[in-house]
Amino acid sequence: DIQMTQSPSSLSASVGDRVTITCQASQDITHYLNWYQHKIGKAPKLLIYDVSNLETGVPSRFSGSGSGTDFTFTISSLQPEDIATYYCQHYGTFGQGTKVEIK
Amino acid sequence: EVQLVESGGGLVQPGGSLRLSCAASGFTLRSYWMHWVRQAPGQGLVWVSRINSEGSSTTYADSVKGRFTISRDNAKNALYLEMNSLRVEDTAVYFCARASTPAPNTGILGYWGQGTLVTVSS
Repeated sequence: DIQMTQSPSSLSASVGDRVTITCQASQDITHYLNWYQHKIGKAPKLLIYDVSNLETGVPSRFSGSGSGTDFTFTISSLQPEDIATYYCQHYGTFGQGTKVEIK
Repeated sequence: EVQLVESGGGLVQPGGSLRLSCAASGFTLRSYWMHWVRQAPGQGLVWVSRINSEGSSTTYADSVKGRFTISRDNAKNALYLEMNSLRVEDTAVYFCARASTPAPNTGILGYWGQGTLVTVSS
């Protein structure tokens, strides 16, 4: 089974900061990598699919990159409403999640 | 507007059974693969099961295989998760999710419900 290793598990940053989360697959998953945002008490939300494609309506400050086994999710300028836990996902496997907080 | 509303959660004793439902609206259910994902208290998202658009093919996480059954009734716009032999570690919020597009098996979960809480405890 493919394992997805996401880091860090949590981070604290200031409004306006650039935030980066990484996700490493245990084997080559080509471009089949998605990113979700989950706010407490809400439904998870698809942000990015197939590594770098922004879901409709998602702000352009969110982006993704990578290929093969190593992937990166970036928030170019952290906003207060971005406080959430973020997950990478490849088919039936999610990363452990990264909790993003405001410093 | 796409809507997914889960129901059927509650408190059940270890070894017991529960059937979750997910009511779909705002789209044609029969066109989409559907999934169940869960989140245990204080933990991350864990994929549980998926079913193809016709209901003829299902897949399960190893942790629930043989105990849980996913099904659907496209005529009723509903997705189900039958959970048997429940364990304490099955305690979680259960989300239903829809594939983002009708394309088969993309693994991209485009829409999610708000979840229903299942608590397994004596």
